[in-house]
Amino acid sequence: EPEVTQTPSHQVTQMGQEVILRCVPISNHLYFYWYRQILGQKVEFLVSFYNNEISEKSEIFDDQFSVERPDGSNFTLKIRSTKLEDSAMYFCASMSGFVENTEAFFGQGTRLTVV
Amino acid sequence: KNEVEQSPQNLTAQEGEFITINCSYSVGISALHWLQQHPGGGIVSLFMLSSGKKKHGRLIATINIQEKHSSLHITASHPRDSAVYICAVNGDSGGSNYKLTFGKGTLLTVNP
Repeated sequence: EPEVTQTPSHQVTQMGQEVILRCVPISNHLYFYWYRQILGQKVEFLVSFYNNEISEKSEIFDDQFSVERPDGSNFTLKIRSTKLEDSAMYFCASMSGFVENTEAFFGQGTRLTVV
Repeated sequence: KNEVEQSPQNLTAQEGEFITINCSYSVGISALHWLQQHPGGGIVSLFMLSSGKKKHGRLIATINIQEKHSSLHITASHPRDSAVYICAVNGDSGGSNYKLTFGKGTLLTVNP
C-alpha cells in the first residue's frame, strides 16, 4: 500500500537553529500539507501546496516557515530560526485530488524538540 | 471558520462493549474524516464520508449532513482499539484545497 514517509522521526535542535523536515508524499498525489500538533493539543493546519505553489497558509505559518518541493518527490518544511514554541509533532499529508473528496494519507510524523 | 467538537473527550470501556464517539461541526463541509492516532503519534485514516454510512470490519461511521453530525461506532471493542480517535472536516471550498480542520480527539481505552 502506498505511504507517506517522513524523516527524521525525531529531531532535537537548539533555539535559533534552522531545521528542515522532510516528507515523501504518495507519488501521484496532487495536494500536499503540513500540519502540527503541540503536545496535548489538537492537530493544526500549517500550509497546503498544490501545483508547485502554496495554495493556503495559516496564521501560524509566518516568515520563519517555508515549504519546497524541489525535485518532484520530496516535500520539505523549513523553519529558519526555531523557537521553543515550535516544539511539536509535525505531520506531512497528501491527498490525490483526482476526485472531489479523497482520503488523507499521513506520514508518521517528525517530533521536533527545541531546547 | 469551522468548529469541530468531539464527545466524549475520554472513554473507558470493557472488552466487548459497543463504543460510540460523536463529532459535530459548525459550518457546511464537503467531507468528514475519522482518523486514529496511536501512542507513538502516527495518524491513520479510518474513513472519509460525505454522506450516509460506511463500514470496515468492526468500525462503522455515519454522517448526517443536515444536522452537521457524525458518529464513529466500534462493535465488540478490543484492547487493541485503544487509541485517540480524531474527527476532521474538509471545508466546503468547492474542492480547491481540502485542508482539514481537526477536533481535539477522543481518548479510548479498552480494558481486557
